[in-house]
Amino acid sequence: DIVMTQAPLSVSVTPGESASISCRSSKSLLHSNGITYVYWYLQKPGKSPQLLIYRMSNLASGVPDRFSGSGSETDFTLKISRVEAEDVGIYYCGQLLENPLTFGSGTKLEIK
Amino acid sequence: EVQLVESGEGLVQPGSSMKLSCVASGFTFSNYGMNWIRQAPKKGLEWIALIYYDSSSKYYADSVKGRFTISRDNSKNTLYLEMNSLRSEDTAMYYCARDEGAWGQGVMVTVSS
Repeated sequence: DIVMTQAPLSVSVTPGESASISCRSSKSLLHSNGITYVYWYLQKPGKSPQLLIYRMSNLASGVPDRFSGSGSETDFTLKISRVEAEDVGIYYCGQLLENPLTFGSGTKLEIK
Repeated sequence: EVQLVESGEGLVQPGSSMKLSCVASGFTFSNYGMNWIRQAPKKGLEWIALIYYDSSSKYYADSVKGRFTISRDNSKNTLYLEMNSLRSEDTAMYYCARDEGAWGQGVMVTVSS
């Protein structure tokens, strides 16, 4: 199984500042079709996860452009610019390259 | 608007069975693969099953293989998860999720005597 390792475990951010969350996969997520199958989700308190970024760098519908995704074949970053209070929650990376689909253990974002 | 609405929540005894449903709207259900993903209390996300858009292939996590069955009815825009031989470790919030897309609000399954 592909292991997804996230860091840090938690991050505390002042509103208006930026935050970055890292994710590393145990295997390349670059498919032969040129697509990198890494995804980012946000689970707000008491809610179900929502898709933020798909295929490493594509913004999901309705997601503010303060969120961006980047990376290589095995190392990925979610960046949140100008953090707002509504961004609190747990961020998960996940891979959809192969079964079983696997997720990172999550990064909790708090507001200072 | 894409919507996924699960139902079938409940409390059951170990060894019993249960069936979850997920009704989809706002997109062409028959064009997408669908997943069930669960989250035990205070834990992370665990994918458990995938079904292709046309039911031609189904995949399961080792933890549920042989006990759970994923299915769909494209005429009803509905995804199902039949769960047998339930164990206490199956206690979790169960989400249906579209491939590369939206998740439902989830339903709680509690397995306890």
